[in-house]
Amino acid sequence: DAMVIQNPRYQVTQFGKPVTLSCSQTLNHNVMYWYQQKSSQAPKLLFHYYDKDFNNEADTPDNFQSRRPNTSFCFLDIRSPGLGDAAMYLCATSRRSRVWDYGYTFGSGTRLTVV
Amino acid sequence: AQTVTQSQPEMSVQEAETVTLSCTYDTSENNYYLFWYKQPPSRQMILVIRQEAYKQQNATENRFSVNFQKAAKSFSLKISDSQLGDTAMYFCAFMANYGGSQGNLIFGKGTKLSVKP
Repeated sequence: DAMVIQNPRYQVTQFGKPVTLSCSQTLNHNVMYWYQQKSSQAPKLLFHYYDKDFNNEADTPDNFQSRRPNTSFCFLDIRSPGLGDAAMYLCATSRRSRVWDYGYTFGSGTRLTVV
Repeated sequence: AQTVTQSQPEMSVQEAETVTLSCTYDTSENNYYLFWYKQPPSRQMILVIRQEAYKQQNATENRFSVNFQKAAKSFSLKISDSQLGDTAMYFCAFMANYGGSQGNLIFGKGTKLSVKP
């Protein structure tokens, strides 16, 4: 089945140690998103790629970066994780021309713990 | 800026009964889409139902239906004949349509629904 896959499901990192989360998709969708989801809070969009065009949300900290080397893969890099960055990170995809019809397709998320 | 508010952090319902989850939103846009997503424990978020703002008819998908009140900016989800598999976090989400150019999905904080046997 076509899907969005996030690896790893659980990631433990040390305070200040760079960490990378990955997302891959077999849907051939042209838009990929990264959301941060903290407990009891709304999922918050960090940034998205429309093809190779990177779109950063105004309030996304500089500590968060992203890379999309090709259509299928997108990475979230946290350069110096702090305790406040512990959260579930959700990757999602959409086909720009059909987003109204189908919304986004989400991965299962990566739960990041910072120790 | 658009905002989405879900005022019920947690709800519970007996199996086979009906439950309604509330959602309100704030926007100055006239064209937009509204969505309900379901996030089961430790599983991916999936689309439950969607509503186009220019359509007056409420969307339905099997046991799921919405009550869309555009003037009141209200978009509630009704689940009929609740099943144990409906236990999940439910997110209401908004997406603006800027003349054919998409906005991004903006979520509410979610409602945790527990279906009890």
